Amino acid sequence: DTEVTQTPKHLVMGMTNKKSLKCEQHMGHRAMYWYKQKAKKPPELMFVYSYEKLSINESVPSRFSPECPNSSLLNLHLHALQPEDSALYLCASSPQGGGANVLTFGAGSRLTVL
Amino acid sequence: GIQVEQSPPDLILQEGANSTLRCNFSDSVNNLQWFHQNPWGQLINLFYIPSGTKQNGRLSATTVATERYSLLYISSSQTTDSGVYFCAVERRSGGYNKLIFGAGTRLAVHP
Repeated sequence: DTEVTQTPKHLVMGMTNKKSLKCEQHMGHRAMYWYKQKAKKPPELMFVYSYEKLSINESVPSRFSPECPNSSLLNLHLHALQPEDSALYLCASSPQGGGANVLTFGAGSRLTVL
Repeated sequence: GIQVEQSPPDLILQEGANSTLRCNFSDSVNNLQWFHQNPWGQLINLFYIPSGTKQNGRLSATTVATERYSLLYISSSQTTDSGVYFCAVERRSGGYNKLIFGAGTRLAVHP
């Protein structure tokens, strides 16, 4: 299995809702990432998990809460989001725990905040 | 922080044409990757190329790390090559490696 699977593909939520994005990989990768991509912009790093521990938080607002329950799963919990948080959220993984090297991306979850 | 600049920002090709995309970076990097993002948002890693030249079918890439640039060549372009091409450089920060993306080159290949 050489895929990173993200669910849901599309999510519409109100500003008072609580929702979660999920990401799964079964390649034995030890680093997992969340990126945020606004329209016509490059992906921007949000979080990096290395060996299931949060290693990088790029000063992301607390309304985004990541969680890594085990080495194959990565969640992004969403609460009290703003319309400007609407974006494509990309999950990725890479083999080494130190991060980067060859990243494999999921297809993304397109989030709309009303 | 490091600057990653890609050119051209937009490119329109007729099917069958060749093209060269460029990525300049402002400081030394651990590594460099090229990605293709299709119109549905899927990012595919094309090359992991810290230096030298690699080829994969109609695509090839060359990185000259000492001069801080990389080139992506697309030959005999097809409509399926349309999308955005990103260059991303790897830098070490706080003991971990981070991938920093350029703004991308938006390619449209017409039949």
